[in-house]
Amino acid sequence: KNQVEQSPQSLIILEGKNCTLQCNYTVSPFSNLRWYKQDTGRGPVSLTIMTFSENTKSNGRYTATLDADTKQSSLHITASQLSDSASYICVVSAGREYGNKLVFGAGTILRVKS
Amino acid sequence: DGGITQSPKYLFRKEGQNVTLSCEQNLNHDAMYWYRQDPGQGLRLIYYSQIVNDFQKGDIAEGYSVSREKKESFPLTVTSAQKNPTAFYLCASSKTSGAFNEQYFGPGTRLTVT
Repeated sequence: KNQVEQSPQSLIILEGKNCTLQCNYTVSPFSNLRWYKQDTGRGPVSLTIMTFSENTKSNGRYTATLDADTKQSSLHITASQLSDSASYICVVSAGREYGNKLVFGAGTILRVKS
Repeated sequence: DGGITQSPKYLFRKEGQNVTLSCEQNLNHDAMYWYRQDPGQGLRLIYYSQIVNDFQKGDIAEGYSVSREKKESFPLTVTSAQKNPTAFYLCASSKTSGAFNEQYFGPGTRLTVT
């Protein structure tokens, strides 16, 4: 069964600290992996998209890694800010054979405290 | 939220009533999608449309209907047959339905049925 599991479910950190969010997936065949940021009550916004041949991708203070062999990805946030408080969603694309279907994780809720 | 608008932001209905959620995009995208988001779960695909006058069922289409008469518009009707309609509904669009196309999300409509 195609699944995306994220951990932890929620996380609280102090402003200025770093954190790492995890994503494990069983989606096959794999086309690409995306990380989205979703503010409360808003739609998700894309942070990064990676294919199987890419193992690191950065977007400002956000750095995503991908290990296609172990089917794991992580999102590292550096020098966190209050505005980073949001849900972070890992999404895997299942490839053309499955209509390029996106499989969404349940998200990690991050709260940054001052 | 890009050029995608959803209205209204909050919607309240009595059980047994049909309700239509609006989604409009000015990005000139061919593909449009409807997702449902429930607490603690990943987004689930309700319907998608790759082109005008064509749409396909997603994973949880029962109790929902859509139309795609114009490229810019993809309204979703939640019918009385949907057993548990209270949820956060997200509309998205992408240039095409290809694997690497970015999906841009609207701000969402929170539907409450009592």
